[in-house]
Amino acid sequence: NAGVTQTPKFRILKIGQSMTLQCTQDMNHNYMYWYRQDPGMGLKLIYYSVGAGITDKGEVPNGYNVSRSTTEDFPLRLELAAPSQTSVYFCASSYPMETQYFGPGTRLLVL
Amino acid sequence: QKEVEQDPGPLSVPEGAIVSLNCTYSNSAFQYFMWYRQYSRKGPELLMYTYSSGNKEDGRFTAQVDKSSKYISLFIRDSQPSDSATYLCAMRGQAGTALIFGKGTTLSVSS
Repeated sequence: NAGVTQTPKFRILKIGQSMTLQCTQDMNHNYMYWYRQDPGMGLKLIYYSVGAGITDKGEVPNGYNVSRSTTEDFPLRLELAAPSQTSVYFCASSYPMETQYFGPGTRLLVL
Repeated sequence: QKEVEQDPGPLSVPEGAIVSLNCTYSNSAFQYFMWYRQYSRKGPELLMYTYSSGNKEDGRFTAQVDKSSKYISLFIRDSQPSDSATYLCAMRGQAGTALIFGKGTTLSVSS
């Protein structure tokens, strides 16, 4: 099993551009999450989903959108990139009440 | 007061030392406690998972939870250079509540 995969690994965006960060898991987990990690700041939850068609905001949702049309995929959309969105983005998945498994991350630089 | 406090370090020790990593928290509803290890430019991976108070041992690693003091610890015995990483504590309450992360402690073990 591949676990949680994320693409791209690294991306540079100009201010105002948009992009989608892809996340796929092959563990048949119901729950999926998006976090951002800034240096020295730990992981902050952006959005999460408890199943296909159901999403909810986390601690820092502003500037992001998500959708969950299948169990496997949970893309994160940035519509108008801002320098404050420069970060490392991690996707994770889990069964309810169980351990979260993380992907390798996407490094995003907004200039 | 932040929900989860973790000393960011960095912590530098010689090979073979016993390492103690700690987190304090303020939310008495937290019941599930985790330690994640994160190597540079990688996603977090689960190291230890405990429920409520008590100790849990796995090889060279021991996790301790003291709910009365709102304090959790991770001990690493006979530390190795391969233990050099950032260690994140994480905790949550009942099902449906978010996982709250500490900021992480960076550990360096020198040979």
